[in-house]
Amino acid sequence: DVKVTQSSRYLVKRTGEKVFLECVQDMDHENMFWYRQDPGLGLRLIYFSYDVKMKEKGDIPEGYSVSREKKERFSLILESASTNQTSMYLCASGGNYGYTFGSGTRLTVV
Amino acid sequence: AQSVTQLGSHVSVSEGALVLLRCNYSSSVPPYLFWYVQYPNQGLQLLLKYTTGATLVKGINGFEAEFKKSETSFHLTKPSAHMSDAAEYFCAVSEYQGGKLIFGQGTELSVKP
Repeated sequence: DVKVTQSSRYLVKRTGEKVFLECVQDMDHENMFWYRQDPGLGLRLIYFSYDVKMKEKGDIPEGYSVSREKKERFSLILESASTNQTSMYLCASGGNYGYTFGSGTRLTVV
Repeated sequence: AQSVTQLGSHVSVSEGALVLLRCNYSSSVPPYLFWYVQYPNQGLQLLLKYTTGATLVKGINGFEAEFKKSETSFHLTKPSAHMSDAAEYFCAVSEYQGGKLIFGQGTELSVKP
């Protein structure tokens, strides 16, 4: 089975901290995505990547950055965490046969 | 730019009744369309997808959806609701398989006994 693994299921961080969310896929997919999921807002695309070292902004990139140094790994970075970034974060990979989603990281910023 | 609108953030039906969840999309190219389901405290699960070909798509758990290009719609239906169908449902669109995937706001389905 294709797997997308997110490093943490639950995370609590303090306001102003730099936060790294890690995502690894094992299907050799070219494309990877980061979403945040909030009640009533669905899944909103933060950033995506079509290739190593390539990134494009999604619909809500403010306050976030990403890194893709290797094909299988796509990291989401919160440069200075704020309380309004408390959310569920989902990573996904996409290829010719569809998409695979990680289990999510529930981030709480206090 | 692509977008998805799901009409109705909450839908409630009685057990055995028809389920109809509405989805309209906007896309500048022929779309790929998806329905996902998320049960409480679980991840996203693909219900069905439209890529090309037959416009009526059958998925898992008795769900189906019809792609109507003239109406830019991809509504999800199930003839008879079960209690186990209670979940949140998301419609999504992409320009090609594996490409940028844009989701709607989600519809929470409740099923009354």
